[in-house]
Amino acid sequence: QSALTQPASVSGSPGQSITISCTGTSSDVGGYNYVSWYQQHPGKAPKLMIYEVSNRPSGVSHRFSGSKSGNTASLTISGLQAEDEADYYCCSHTSSSARVFGGGTKLTVL
Amino acid sequence: EVQLVESGGGLVQPGGSLRLSCAASGFTFSSYWMHWVRQAPGKGLVWVSRIISDGSGTIYADSVKGRFAISRDNAKNTLYLQMNSLRAEDTAVYYCTRDRGGAAVDIWGQGTLVTVSS
Repeated sequence: QSALTQPASVSGSPGQSITISCTGTSSDVGGYNYVSWYQQHPGKAPKLMIYEVSNRPSGVSHRFSGSKSGNTASLTISGLQAEDEADYYCCSHTSSSARVFGGGTKLTVL
Repeated sequence: EVQLVESGGGLVQPGGSLRLSCAASGFTFSSYWMHWVRQAPGKGLVWVSRIISDGSGTIYADSVKGRFAISRDNAKNTLYLQMNSLRAEDTAVYYCTRDRGGAAVDIWGQGTLVTVSS
């Protein structure tokens, strides 16, 4: 149950787009369309942003989108806003029916 | 309002035990799988355990297998995590979460801090 691999940090200017990658194996990310993404602001509980690779829950901005290719999933945030500055985590179902999170990515809005 | 409220965290010595509780409200608790997720201070999220809706199926992260036990009381709308043989590396905020299907969790509690230290 090794953690999924995410970049430690990404940054972008307001209005720009950024993409956060999440790399696993064929036993997790690559084997199922069950990847989710979470946003966490300091001192707060995480919030679900994307489920089943590319679906947005009600209330989540259309600026957030998800995709997957092979063993790598991606979260793209378009039209960056100051409020998007947070930590982002991916999560995948695994072949043993467990779940595994990524190490997290700190997004800085310049 | 859909809500999860954890309790039971605190300071415990290495080798000790603690039981966390999570009170659910605002939804039909007995219809949902539930998970515990933890986060060590300044670190990332780590999945701990999952229990299916009727309590008959459970699964654990390797790091807690044999030491932690997840359970639920659907009559009381409450999820539990019994933690035994605690280690310093178990120090974390423990979140109770609701599974929405598709291997995603959509509701999180506010978390309860467990500190394992002598």
